[in-house]
Amino acid sequence: GENVEQHPSTLSVQEGDSAVIKCTYSDSASNYFPWYKQELGKRPQLIIDIRSNVGEKKDQRIAVTLNKTAKHFSLHITETQPEDSAVYFCAASRGFQKLVFGTGTRLLVSP
Amino acid sequence: KAGVTQTPRYLIKTRGQQVTLSCSPISGHRSVSWYQQTPGQGLQFLFEYFSETQRNKGNFPGRFSGRQFSNSRSEMNVSTLELGDSALYLCASRGGGGEDTQYFGPGTRLTVL
Repeated sequence: GENVEQHPSTLSVQEGDSAVIKCTYSDSASNYFPWYKQELGKRPQLIIDIRSNVGEKKDQRIAVTLNKTAKHFSLHITETQPEDSAVYFCAASRGFQKLVFGTGTRLLVSP
Repeated sequence: KAGVTQTPRYLIKTRGQQVTLSCSPISGHRSVSWYQQTPGQGLQFLFEYFSETQRNKGNFPGRFSGRQFSNSRSEMNVSTLELGDSALYLCASRGGGGEDTQYFGPGTRLTVL
């Protein structure tokens, strides 16, 4: 079955810096890759997703890139702000199969 | 549209008891998935129901079960509770397609004493 690895497990940056979180997946047939942000005590919320027919997607300060050949995808956050501090989860799925999550990255943005 | 709702939000049980959690998906969504979240294990997939049928299943013991009703509302049941079952239980709904966005509910915090 699908396996998703996520790195790093923790990431500390200064406000204004960029942050990059990387995930690799094992099932070459996976075609849907969402990213979720979970603030302390709250539910995971979708921040961006990408499908396998697209290599890159941007939404303001957030971007996701997908490399199907290498089977990895990354989340890029530019101009980080303290409110970006949270746990970020990547995930992958194929067709109607279950969404498989990475282990999460705790991002801390210091003022 | 109203979001995904879960009841109850908090629950305290003792070992050996059983518990039932409820999830109401976004209107029109036919798929409901359940996850167990613990600090050390992240988001662990329990099962997914689509149109009242279990479509996907995770690697949890048979003490964990679920069902879905004709209105897409779903329940999960945990029997013979163990201390290790203490966790945040999240449900998520999606339209039904494999690439549909999945939306999470607020979760039920279960504490087993």
